[in-house]
Amino acid sequence: SQTIHQWPATLVQPVGSPLSLECTVEGTSNPNLYWYRQAAGRGLQLLFYSVGIGQISSEVPQNLSASRPQDRQFILSSKKLLLSDSGFYLCAWSVQDRPYEQYFGPGTRLTVT
Amino acid sequence: KQEVTQIPAALSVPEGENLVLNCSFTDSAIYNLQWFRQDPGKGLTSLLLIQSSQREQTSGRLNASLDKSSGRSTLYIAASQPGDSATYLCAARPAGGFKTIFGAGTRLFVKA
Repeated sequence: SQTIHQWPATLVQPVGSPLSLECTVEGTSNPNLYWYRQAAGRGLQLLFYSVGIGQISSEVPQNLSASRPQDRQFILSSKKLLLSDSGFYLCAWSVQDRPYEQYFGPGTRLTVT
Repeated sequence: KQEVTQIPAALSVPEGENLVLNCSFTDSAIYNLQWFRQDPGKGLTSLLLIQSSQREQTSGRLNASLDKSSGRSTLYIAASQPGDSATYLCAARPAGGFKTIFGAGTRLFVKA
């Protein structure tokens, strides 16, 4: 069966520090991968999605970037965090030809102080 | 531009009560609509997915309906239990593309 992992589970970082959040998927090949952010009291916002290694599409211009160095690994990064980057970050995956069925990871709670 | 709104933002009910959560969307050109459950500090768990050609889906005590013409979906929970306490999110997927639009959620608390 497929599983999706995210780490760390929680993170507290000062403003201006770098960020690296990791997501890995097991039990499937060539998945679509997604990064979402959930701000307090708001819906999930799609940040990036990837349909293959090295292929990244950005949905919202921001202080963040994403990379996919391996088939089942998706990384969310920032060179300098802003207070507004605080939130709950969720990674998700889907089968290539069924992007409408996304499976979510446990999430990372990021607090920028 | 698709917008998804969920009302109410929060709801507290006594155990055993039947309840309805509402979701409205502005663009009826959707591929499907999905309801998720999110426990505090956790990821999303899919509850029900309704394709655009369907009117409703049922799973156990849950029933979700879809009315594309009015831009509405409802999630009906029968005989609520304390274990149902969570945030419920609806998400509308456009006909084509990856950008699913999520509502802000309804936070449900079922009192024992």
